[in-house]
Parts: sequence; C-alpha cells; structure tokens
Amino acid sequence: EIVMTQSPATLSVSPGERATLSCRASQSVRSNLAWYHQKPGQAPRLLIYGASTRATGIPARFSGSGSGTEFTLTISSLQSEDFAVYYCQQYNNWPPLTFGGGTKVEIK
Amino acid sequence: EVQLVESGGGLVKPGGSLRLSCAASGFSFISYNMHWVRQAPGKGLEWVSSIRRTSTNIYYADSVKGRFTISRDNAKNSLYLQMNSLRAEDTAVYYCARGSLLSDYDLDYWGQGTLVTVSS
Repeated sequence: EIVMTQSPATLSVSPGERATLSCRASQSVRSNLAWYHQKPGQAPRLLIYGASTRATGIPARFSGSGSGTEFTLTISSLQSEDFAVYYCQQYNNWPPLTFGGGTKVEIK
Repeated sequence: EVQLVESGGGLVKPGGSLRLSCAASGFSFISYNMHWVRQAPGKGLEWVSSIRRTSTNIYYADSVKGRFTISRDNAKNSLYLQMNSLRAEDTAVYYCARGSLLSDYDLDYWGQGTLVTVSS
C-alpha cells in the first residue's frame, strides 16, 4: 500500500498571501496524483488531477506540481473561500486508493 | 448538472446491517467507474470500494472486505453499498464519488454523504 504524507498538518496564512502544501508518496506514483479541498460540512471537491491539471471550474490561483514521490499544491493568493482542508490522493497503485492525512489551511 | 445523492444512512447496532444507495443524474452513469469513500468524525478520507462500469471488476479496502458489498444498477443509475457485520469503527459519513473519464480513479464529483453511526 502506498502511504501518502502531507505537510504541514496546519498552515496559517493571511488572505492574499501564498500557500504551499506538500504531499509525499512512499513510492513513485508517477503523475497519478489528485488534490481535493473540503470545507466544513461539505463534500470534497476535486481541484487538480494528473498532478498539475486543474479540474473544471477551478481558478488559476490553484496550481499543482511534482511527479514521482514529491508533490506541491500552491495557492497563489488566498481568498476567503480557500480556507479549508486539503487532501492529496494517489491513483497509480491500487487497490487501495490512498489519501494523505490532510492539511488544514486556516486564517492567520 | 451532475448530481450524486446518497441515502440509507442511520443508527445501527454493532453486528447490524445497512444498505446505502447513491442516485446519479446528469451524466451517462454506465460510462463511469464509481466509488465509495468514507470519513470518520473529525478524521480524513478513507477509500472503501470501487466498481467498474459494467461491474466486471470490484475492489474493497481490507478493512471492509468480506463484510461490505458494492453493486450498481445501470438501468436505474444507482450505486449501492451493502454493509453487514457493522462495527463501531465503521461510523463515518459515506460518500459516493464518480471516477473521472480520463483516469477512472481520481474522483471528479462527490455526493453530499450519508452518516452511518454504529453504536449500541
């Protein structure tokens, strides 16, 4: 099973600032990585797939990079609606599909 | 508009059973792999099970194998999860999710979830 590790667990950022979230895989997942965010009381929403492709309707301030075992999600200028929990997920070696433990982006 | 609506959650005693349903609309259901993902209270996301378009391949997490059964009815645009021998650790919000057409296993649409509580 591929273990996904996200860091930091919590990221405190001011509105308008840049946020950088990390995700590490225990073995290579090539570019088969997705990012989701989840607001309280809501379902997760797909942000990025293929490590770097924005999903439909996702603003350009969200960008993904990386391949193999190291991945980054960058939010260039945080908006109020971006404060949420972010998860990465690998879909290269399955089953099982595996998610990271999440990074909570909170208002500083 | 793509919609996934789960139902069937509730309170059940340990050892009991529950059947979750997910009604899909706004897309060609038969064209997509479907998945169940759960989230225990205050915890992260855990993949539960996946089923391919025509049910030819089915996969389960080790934590539910032998107790849960995923199925689908393409004529009714519906996904199901039969849960037997439920345990306290199965308490979670259960989401149904659609696998994207491009890769099948990144999840491009999610339902709002249904809460399953296993408690005596």
